[in-house]
Parts: sequence; C-alpha cells; structure tokens
Amino acid sequence: DAMVIQNPRYQVTQFGKPVTLSCSQTLNHNVMYWYQQKSSQAPKLLFHYYDKDFNNEADTPDNFQSRRPNTSFCFLDIRSPGLGDAAMYLCATSPEFGIYYEQYFGPGTRLTVT
Amino acid sequence: QKEVEQDPGPLSVPEGAIVSLNCTYSNSAFQYFMWYRQYSRKGPELLMYTYSSGNKEDGRFTAQVDKSSKYISLFIRDSQPSDSATYLCAMSEGGRRALTFGSGTRLQVQP
Repeated sequence: DAMVIQNPRYQVTQFGKPVTLSCSQTLNHNVMYWYQQKSSQAPKLLFHYYDKDFNNEADTPDNFQSRRPNTSFCFLDIRSPGLGDAAMYLCATSPEFGIYYEQYFGPGTRLTVT
Repeated sequence: QKEVEQDPGPLSVPEGAIVSLNCTYSNSAFQYFMWYRQYSRKGPELLMYTYSSGNKEDGRFTAQVDKSSKYISLFIRDSQPSDSATYLCAMSEGGRRALTFGSGTRLQVQP
C-alpha cells in the first residue's frame, strides 16, 4: 500500500544533542511537509519542499533544518534540541502544494528531550 | 487571539448520538475548510473538504460553513465508538497557502 512512513516512532534525545527524524513516502508526491504538534495544540508547519525547492516558514527556528535527497525521503534535523522542542513531528505529502490537494500524514515521531 | 479557535473537549457522548463539532475563525480570507480526524498515536486523515459557505454531506458526516459568522461545524450522525478520536479543523485562503489548523476537539463515544 502507498503510504508515508516515519522513523523512529519514538525518539529520546538529550538536551543539546543533535537528532534526525526521517520520513519516506511511496506515493511519489512532489510536496513533503514537516509539522510540529505539541500536546493538545494545532499542527504547526515548519517547512515544506516542492520537489527540491525548500520553503521555510517565517517563524521556524534556525535550530530546525531539513534535507530532501530524493523524491521519496525527507529528513528533519534538530541541531541543538531544547526542552521546548519535545513534541510530535508529523511528515505529510501531497501531489502539489495548496489546499486543492489532500495531505497524507505519516504516523508521527514523538520526540522526548531529557 | 488565535486565528482558529476550537474547544478542546473532551466531548463524551453515548453511541448513536448526533455529535456537533465546531470551529470559529478570525481571518475572513479563509475560503477552504477541512476536517481531519486524528486517532491516538496516528497522523491526521482528511474527512471532509468544503469550499466557501454551504453544506456537504458524506455518509454519516455533514460539514457546514457559515462565512458570515466565521463558524464551521462537523456533524456526525449515529456516532460509533470507532469515531472516538481528535477532530481538527483546518482552513486556507487558497492558492499556494498553507493550512491553518485548530487545536482539535477530543471526542469519546461510549458504547
């Protein structure tokens, strides 16, 4: 089945220790998104890729970086995690950018910072 | 003030009840309105999508948009325990604009 896969599902890291979350998709979609969702809060868009074009949201901290080496994979790098970065990180894809196209979400990676 | 407001719940109803979930918003430029369902430890999945004002029905689910009041609703008829989840509303101005999500309402349907 075509899907969005996130690994790992749960990640524990230490304060200040870099961490990388991964997302892969078999849908062959052009657009991939990274969202941060804290408990009982709305998902917050961090950035998205349209093919290889990277688009950063204005309020995304510099501590968050992303890589998309090919259509199928996208990575979220947190260079120096703080306690406030503990959250669920959701990857999503769509064939094009914009509301016209349904976003398909992965199951998320829950990040704990100790 | 948040752009999109949604009561967090939890909303607890007996099986078979009609459920009403709501969002209010402040941005009058929003034209596209969506409802996502998120089960525990899962990513959101799209339930309903509506453009501008009006109603849309899909099985047991009905979405309503009242742009004059900046108010949207999702009705679930004959609710089932499997409907227990968090329901997120989402909105967009259109074009290549990102979605703005509500924080979600947690629904519990008791058997």
